[in-house]
Amino acid sequence: DAMVIQNPRYQVTQFGKPVTLSCSQTLNHNVMYWYQQKSSQAPKLLFHYYDKDFNNEADTPDNFQSRRPNTSFCFLDIRSPGLGDAAMYLCATGEGRSNQPQHFGDGTRLSIL
Amino acid sequence: GQSLEQPSEVTAVEGAIVQINCTYQTSGFYGLSWYQQHDGGAPTFLSYNALDGLEETGRFSSFLSRSDSYGYLLLQELQMKDSASYFCAVNNQGGKLIFGQGTELSVKP
Repeated sequence: DAMVIQNPRYQVTQFGKPVTLSCSQTLNHNVMYWYQQKSSQAPKLLFHYYDKDFNNEADTPDNFQSRRPNTSFCFLDIRSPGLGDAAMYLCATGEGRSNQPQHFGDGTRLSIL
Repeated sequence: GQSLEQPSEVTAVEGAIVQINCTYQTSGFYGLSWYQQHDGGAPTFLSYNALDGLEETGRFSSFLSRSDSYGYLLLQELQMKDSASYFCAVNNQGGKLIFGQGTELSVKP
């Protein structure tokens, strides 16, 4: 059974049109992470929530926002997608301890027209 | 800055043993993890080393030398299904991961 669920698997949006990607978890983990992964590259951490505390990476563009209304759900909002934002977006959860693994969803592949 | 170096691709034959090396330079180090990612799929956790030495999990083993800022993933008895990308990642405070660029492993018959 999937424990980190991302919807949809594939998302197409238009240049400049806001888009929201969603992630839910059944693991009851404290931390939820959002990564951007471009083809043949490493996942790049955008931000994470530790419980309700939002932690943004220094180089994450302002165009990317996130919401976590409760423990189970987390959203990634891209306010004005550009062509360079086409990528796989991965959600992961964890217990927030360095010796514990992260659990990834299958990702949402975002295309920009 | 923070950087991890691993080979971009490795090719091996079924049944063989392959070693994927990883060197790192990071501020803040709690351990080294390895993740496997099949094409179009999610990264899945393979192994974690916090202390020097070898960790063995079935056909996969991982090694860490903190003094050398070096680790490797060893895959034994290679199978076709092991063809995937393998990422080393440094574990930072609070469970954050910094990923290397990944090594694409191709297993040939």
